[in-house]
Amino acid sequence: QQKVQQSPESLTVSEGAMASLNCTFSDGTSNNFRWYRQHSAKGLEVLVSIFSDGEKEEGRFTAHLNRANLHVSLHIREPQPSDSAVYLCAVSRGDSNYQLIWGSGTKLIIKP
Amino acid sequence: GGIITQTPKFLIGQEGQKLTLKCQQNFNHDTMYWYRQDSGKGLRLIYYSITENDLQKGDLSEGYDASREKKSSFSLTVTSAQKNEMAVFLCASSLRLGGNNYAEQFFGPGTRLTVL
Repeated sequence: QQKVQQSPESLTVSEGAMASLNCTFSDGTSNNFRWYRQHSAKGLEVLVSIFSDGEKEEGRFTAHLNRANLHVSLHIREPQPSDSAVYLCAVSRGDSNYQLIWGSGTKLIIKP
Repeated sequence: GGIITQTPKFLIGQEGQKLTLKCQQNFNHDTMYWYRQDSGKGLRLIYYSITENDLQKGDLSEGYDASREKKSSFSLTVTSAQKNEMAVFLCASSLRLGGNNYAEQFFGPGTRLTVL
């Protein structure tokens, strides 16, 4: 069964420096991968969804997928203090695209 | 655009009590989901409903029942609340999967459950 792990658990980055978050998964048959952000006050919002190896950019957020290495990453360019939140990786189950398996999150703090 | 409404926002129950959480969406989405999130953990799927008359179990369905009353609403029942249980229950909705096998899930604000 698909297992998803995120690292690091917590990350502090200075404003304007690149922030990089990692997600590894166990089942390479999944075909969609998503990064969400969870603000305590605003709930969950999707940032980037990626379906094939390579990179996908959505504004300041770029996801990199390497299915052979069972790895998907998220890079945040020029982060602001308002980007401080918990970032969650979600991977579809190999046998059901309706079912997402979630990592436990990376808590990102952006220092002014 | 649309919105997902979950009621109540906060739910306090007693051990052994049956508790019902409600979710409404106005996206006109076919598919709806219930997730549980424990503190510091990722989301776990409890039930989902692909269309109005469908109900599918997720990995965490034991101890829960769900009901899709109509296209726009999906309820979750905790059949017997466990003492000291604390979690947030999140409802989501999406379009039905198409040829690309992908549909974005949109989330409600959550119901925070505390069992005394």
